[in-house]
Amino acid sequence: KAGVTQTPRYLIKTRGQQVTLSCSPISGHRSVSWYQQTPGQGLQFLFEYFSETQRNKGNFPGRFSGRQFSNSRSEMNVSTLELGDSALYLCASSWTGIHEQYFGPGTRLTVT
Amino acid sequence: AQSVTQLDSQVPVFEEAPVELRCNYSSSVSVYLFWYVQYPNQGLQLLLKYLSGSTLVESINGFEAEFNKSQTSFHLRKPSVHISDTAEYFCAVSVTLRGSQGNLIFGKGTKLSVKP
Repeated sequence: KAGVTQTPRYLIKTRGQQVTLSCSPISGHRSVSWYQQTPGQGLQFLFEYFSETQRNKGNFPGRFSGRQFSNSRSEMNVSTLELGDSALYLCASSWTGIHEQYFGPGTRLTVT
Repeated sequence: AQSVTQLDSQVPVFEEAPVELRCNYSSSVSVYLFWYVQYPNQGLQLLLKYLSGSTLVESINGFEAEFNKSQTSFHLRKPSVHISDTAEYFCAVSVTLRGSQGNLIFGKGTKLSVKP
């Protein structure tokens, strides 16, 4: 089975711009979660989607949004980028959302 | 609120020596427990999991972890480490509650450095 894929792998953006990251889950998985990883804050949960519905959301500003399509692929969007948004963004998929999650390789976002 | 504490941010060890990476969690409800490993510039790989049943769980590459409910711990051990085990290890919990789906709560990570 193919693993979780994320595109693009690397991205450089300028402050004020917006960005869209994409995630394709493992076939059959309906839950997709997004995390932000930074050296200072570690791994922080952004949100989770299941069958195109957001079921859970972390403590991030409204600039961070996401969606899930009928084929379970998911996108996250960050608008009005700030320097502090520079991070590794990880997507993970799961059967249920409460059991084990399988992670993609991440998208490294650098905001200049 | 749930939390995960990994007491050691860095653990240096010599090759073929045993190692223990400590993890304690705080939760008032039942949880599932996981260890993930992250190699440089990569995502997280699931190392092992405790969902139910035997409190001792093992991975295919020689790691094991034991769920201790009374001490709320899930320490990771390996009797003999290899250079290739050098990586960052994350302990995580998943709360089995409606409204908490998809949210793995992670510890800060432990960097294991295996020296020849």
